Amino acid sequence: GESVGLHLPTLSVQEGDNSIINCAYSNSASDYFIWYKQESGKGPQFIIDIRSNMDKRQGQRVTVLLNKTVKHLSLQIAATQPGDSAVYFCAENRGRNAGNMLTFGGGTRLMVKP
Amino acid sequence: GAGVSQSPSNKVTEKGKDVELRCDPISGHTALYWYRQSLGQGLEFLIYFQGNSAPDKSGLPSDRFSAERTGGSVSTLTIQRTQQEDSAVYLCASSLFGTDTQYFGPGTRLTVL
Repeated sequence: GESVGLHLPTLSVQEGDNSIINCAYSNSASDYFIWYKQESGKGPQFIIDIRSNMDKRQGQRVTVLLNKTVKHLSLQIAATQPGDSAVYFCAENRGRNAGNMLTFGGGTRLMVKP
Repeated sequence: GAGVSQSPSNKVTEKGKDVELRCDPISGHTALYWYRQSLGQGLEFLIYFQGNSAPDKSGLPSDRFSAERTGGSVSTLTIQRTQQEDSAVYLCASSLFGTDTQYFGPGTRLTVL
């Protein structure tokens, strides 16, 4: 069946280093993906999204890469800061015919060491 | 502007009691979504509304769960005869019709004793 999953449950990085969080999906028809950041006690916060007609999209300190061949996407955070410590979720948007329902992966916890 | 708000932020109830969780979406957002996040789990879709209509109720875990939305704004998720496995954080999100970005509220943490 369809699934969106993450490779690593916990990632620990040194402050100032770059972070890479990975996500795999199984539905080759998926065409819209979103990364969310969730801090403790808060709801998920939109970070960046990407559609299947793109391979790469950049935001402020963040880059999302999409490899449709191997059904894999990643979130890269440049110069990781303590404030980046959170759980990161990738999500697949099921499209407007499904009301834009999101299917989430299990999450990766990013820990930034000072 | 104001984001999505949810109330209460925390709810502790006894097994068998009914609970109501409230969501106030961002003003003007026509689509509203409910998700559940269990301890150590990802987010699970429950139901969504387009306006006051819920086209897809297949994500609701059981018939003890129901939701309604009135006036195209506030939504209430009701859980009847709560069970311990209902303990989770219930998250609400809203989005503009025709756009895809969903904005989440802070959630309601439900604990069933």
